[in-house]
Amino acid sequence: DTGVSQNPRHKITKRGQNVTFRCDPISEHNRLYWYRQTLGQGPEFLTYFQNEAQLEKSRLLSDRFSAERPKGSFSTLEIQRTEQGDSAMYLCASSLEKDQPQHFGDGTRLSIL
Amino acid sequence: AQSVAQPEDQVNVAEGNPLTVKCTYSVSGNPYLFWYVQYPNRGLQFLLKYITGDNLVKGSYGFEAEFNKSQTSFHLKKPSALVSDSALYFCAVRAYSGGYQKVTFGTGTKLQVIP
Repeated sequence: DTGVSQNPRHKITKRGQNVTFRCDPISEHNRLYWYRQTLGQGPEFLTYFQNEAQLEKSRLLSDRFSAERPKGSFSTLEIQRTEQGDSAMYLCASSLEKDQPQHFGDGTRLSIL
Repeated sequence: AQSVAQPEDQVNVAEGNPLTVKCTYSVSGNPYLFWYVQYPNRGLQFLLKYITGDNLVKGSYGFEAEFNKSQTSFHLKKPSALVSDSALYFCAVRAYSGGYQKVTFGTGTKLQVIP
């Protein structure tokens, strides 16, 4: 399967802990996106990379959130000092060109105890 | 600011009947419009897109959508619904926002196809 891969699929952690998620995009895709989706809502944009450059960050991405794509391939999203409100599905997507549709991974579901 | 509205939280349709899932949008400039489908505990799957050209766009699994500029709508349609079409459907618009082509999703419409 050469689709977008996200790990882990589920993460349960205590409030205040740090968590890190990984996204492996489709190999030839140079654009990578992170979204957050809560129950009953559509995905909300968090951040966007073109190759290794982080070109856009949403205001939703507080200073506790950081994303990297060090070699322009896989990406990580880290949340520090997690809060109850961080509980959500975190989706990663990639695309080849700006006019092409985004291909989504199956997401990482984060639950904060 | 751009926005997408999906006015129906849920649409019920009998198997074999035509289905319509509604979407309206608000954006400055020319919109790029998309429909995605999401099954439980899965990511979104691309169905179809409108960028330019014919107002009727055909996509995956027999779905199509009609772009109506005057009504700022992009309704998803299928002539004959299948039980396997039951899922969550998202409309999305992409347009420039602060120098970046931002994608905004609607809140989703749950489609229930009744056998």
